[in-house]
Amino acid sequence: AQTVTQSQPEMSVQEAETVTLSCTYDTSENNYYLFWYKQPPSRQMILVIRQEAYKQQNATENRFSVNFQKAAKSFSLKISDSQLGDTAMYFCAFNAGGTSYGKLTFGQGTILTVHP
Amino acid sequence: DGGITQSPKYLFRKEGQNVTLSCEQNLNHDAMYWYRQDPGQGLRLIYYSQIVNDFQKGDIAEGYSVSREKKESFPLTVTSAQKNPTAFYLCASSSGTSGEKLFFGSGTQLSVL
Repeated sequence: AQTVTQSQPEMSVQEAETVTLSCTYDTSENNYYLFWYKQPPSRQMILVIRQEAYKQQNATENRFSVNFQKAAKSFSLKISDSQLGDTAMYFCAFNAGGTSYGKLTFGQGTILTVHP
Repeated sequence: DGGITQSPKYLFRKEGQNVTLSCEQNLNHDAMYWYRQDPGQGLRLIYYSQIVNDFQKGDIAEGYSVSREKKESFPLTVTSAQKNPTAFYLCASSSGTSGEKLFFGSGTQLSVL
């Protein structure tokens, strides 16, 4: 079974600064997918970024980028130029690929607060 | 607009009562999922369905039941056997292909009276 660990329960950052959220996972699969989802106070789950394990290039989406270290089983999220609207709970999630279909295993989440 | 609709937004359950949470999608997705979220924690998979008339247990299925009679609908029943039902319940759907993003509904908060 796969496990996903987010070791930072809470983080804070000043507006316009950069913050990195950590995520590690455990799997015996070789081809899999990793995600970061954001859950703002509205509690709506929003996809932030997606990474395919067989792609060495780190995914980027505007101010959001990842540092994917396959050998270390690490998948951190970097938020640049933080904005007040980035305040949310962030979840790292894993999909095992193959016949796992769309099932996701989630980490415990990191609460990010952006201060003005 | 295409999306997933969950209802009700808030639900209260009396002891010994079964309650049903609704989830409807118009995205033409084959796969649908139910997740449970406890305060300050991540999401845990309750049940999932890859196709109409078929569904599988997730990691915490005890005390829950589902049906998938239509492609668009995947209702979740919280039975009286679920002794700690207070949680936020999220429904999601996807194409069913591995690695594809999940689309989430806005959730139902279930509380016990």
